[in-house]
Amino acid sequence: GAVVSQHPSWVICKSGTSVKIECRSLDFQATTMFWYRQFPKQSLMLMATSNEGSKATYEQGVEKDKFLINHASLTLSTLTVTSAHPEDSSFYICSARGGIRTGNTIYFGEGSWLTVV
Amino acid sequence: AQSVTQLDSQVPVFEEAPVELRCNYSSSVSVYLFWYVQYPNQGLQLLLKYLSGSTLVKGINGFEAEFNKSQTSFHLRKPSVHISDTAEYFCAVSAGDTGRRALTFGSGTRLQVQP
Repeated sequence: GAVVSQHPSWVICKSGTSVKIECRSLDFQATTMFWYRQFPKQSLMLMATSNEGSKATYEQGVEKDKFLINHASLTLSTLTVTSAHPEDSSFYICSARGGIRTGNTIYFGEGSWLTVV
Repeated sequence: AQSVTQLDSQVPVFEEAPVELRCNYSSSVSVYLFWYVQYPNQGLQLLLKYLSGSTLVKGINGFEAEFNKSQTSFHLRKPSVHISDTAEYFCAVSAGDTGRRALTFGSGTRLQVQP
């Protein structure tokens, strides 16, 4: 079964509104989680690294104020797309590293499809 | 920084034929290497990974990959493919000096298995 869970799997929102995507590690504690974005028929691009208890580290070109990341606990990171626009429509995937016990395996969530209309 | 190159964007192959999906990487430090599969409209599933040890890594669904440090490659192979193997395959690399680094993905290879 999944060890990293994302919610919601699908979301449609109106332009100008905000939407939150949750990423949970189910069987382990993750001090670090990663958020990726994938456009249709393209690869995954790292958006930011989410650090528990501190600010996220954003990749170059990713707007911090638009993509708010909160890592409030060792099992939950959230990505909030603020003032969403149609160009934000994409597949968002989170991942978490399982630690030494899992051989540092990186687990991915099932992804969240965001459609902004 | 690391980078990953998947030279083949699409690989068509007939059912029960062997297949190799190529992956080359560049890095100034030691790396962990991964292959993931993505079925349409779904997330990523780990096929296999190389962290250390034996350079030949066996994964799920009959796939295997060989780490070649001198050629900086990590090609994915399967001796006999099935229709159900049709999917997008991503090679990824992570710096091996710490357990906290994100993955860098290749552009993906679309495996199309034809009957």
